[in-house]
Amino acid sequence: NAGVMQNPRHLVRRRGQEARLRCSPMKGHSHVYWYRQLPEEGLKFMVYLQKENIIDESGMPKERFSAEFPKEGPSILRIQQVVRGDSAAYFCASSPRLLAGGSEQYFGPGTRLTVT
Amino acid sequence: EDKVVQSPLSLVVHEGDTVTLNCSYEVTNFRSLLWYKQEKKAPTFLFMLTSSGIEKKSGRLSSILDKKELFSILNITATQTGDSAVYLCAPMYNNNDMRFGAGTRLTVKP
Repeated sequence: NAGVMQNPRHLVRRRGQEARLRCSPMKGHSHVYWYRQLPEEGLKFMVYLQKENIIDESGMPKERFSAEFPKEGPSILRIQQVVRGDSAAYFCASSPRLLAGGSEQYFGPGTRLTVT
Repeated sequence: EDKVVQSPLSLVVHEGDTVTLNCSYEVTNFRSLLWYKQEKKAPTFLFMLTSSGIEKKSGRLSSILDKKELFSILNITATQTGDSAVYLCAPMYNNNDMRFGAGTRLTVKP
């Protein structure tokens, strides 16, 4: 069973371009979480999704950021019109059940976004 | 290949007990190691360790890093039910790359 996969591992975008980050959860996992780690800071929660539904997006910036987890295919975190401040590592994690119910969570290797 | 191993994977103790959680790692260009506590959706930052042998303390929690033997431990003394959580370690390497361990699930019973 492959772990959580994220691609690309490194992504370079110029200011104003769009960034698309992909996350394939572990097999059998229907809960996906996205986190952002800014340089020298801890992880910040962004969004929690279940298949086809956004459950909690309280950590998402109000503009330019969106996330989806379609019925088929990976979860996508999309950042439109990127700015330098978006440069960070973006981690995805998945779990088979609700975290609050005691489920385990597994992290992917992250995507490092650099905005030039 | 980069690797992070945490042990034990799960642990059940009673209030007042002391626990030691282990994290061993193999990464290239190691910079520092971070410990997180995760209860619900987002891990909470606990410690960042960069130098060997220097213990960091925060209340009943303490942690130390051994860069020669490539491991870190997290100690919790006089555990309370509120300490029940998953504890994650993550070495930071290269230019802010991080790799998470699978975590240790700690359950503290009253």
